[in-house]
Amino acid sequence: AQSVAQPEDQVNVAEGNPLTVKCTYSVSGNPYLFWYVQYPNRGLQFLLKYITGDNLVKGSYGFEAEFNKSQTSFHLKKPSALVSDSALYFCAVRDRGYSTLTFGKGTMLLVSP
Amino acid sequence: NAGVTQTPKFQVLKTGQSMTLQCAQDMNHEYMSWYRQDPGMGLRLIHYSVGAGITDQGEVPNGYNVSRSTTEDFPLRLLSAAPSQTSVYFCATGGTPNTGELFFGEGSRLTVL
Repeated sequence: AQSVAQPEDQVNVAEGNPLTVKCTYSVSGNPYLFWYVQYPNRGLQFLLKYITGDNLVKGSYGFEAEFNKSQTSFHLKKPSALVSDSALYFCAVRDRGYSTLTFGKGTMLLVSP
Repeated sequence: NAGVTQTPKFQVLKTGQSMTLQCAQDMNHEYMSWYRQDPGMGLRLIHYSVGAGITDQGEVPNGYNVSRSTTEDFPLRLLSAAPSQTSVYFCATGGTPNTGELFFGEGSRLTVL
């Protein structure tokens, strides 16, 4: 079975500071990994994905994520946070043998001015 | 280009009533799915379909039915609503098996009294 853990319910950061939202995963084989963002009363929007290749993946709105196979992690990062980045962030994983996507419980990111 | 359209956006039911949540997509995606989102639980997969005529159960299928008669539509039926089905429901579609990202509708908020 595949699973995702987001250990922090909430991350607080000041505008202009770097941010990290943590994600660890468990799959039986090699993973496909995704990050999504949800703004209030909206559906989820795709940010970035790791399929294969370079461990550092760049995505929308200046976000990036680093795949670490030995630590089974896929942390989301941004060098300089914006107030408008405040939202709910979901990490998701798909085992290459499955067709379904499993989501973490989500991490609320709050960026203060 | 509407993407993924869910109706209704809001619904209040009494225990024991039945209803159907509609999901329509105009992206010609083979993969369609239904998730429910509950506070602290993240997104949990209810049912999914990899093409017309093919459906399968996800993590929390009890109390829900689906069918896929066309590529475009994937309705979710609640046969006898229970308060435990109070949730926000999201339809999500995907074009590329396994490696592709999902595209989400705006959600349907259901309250069962």
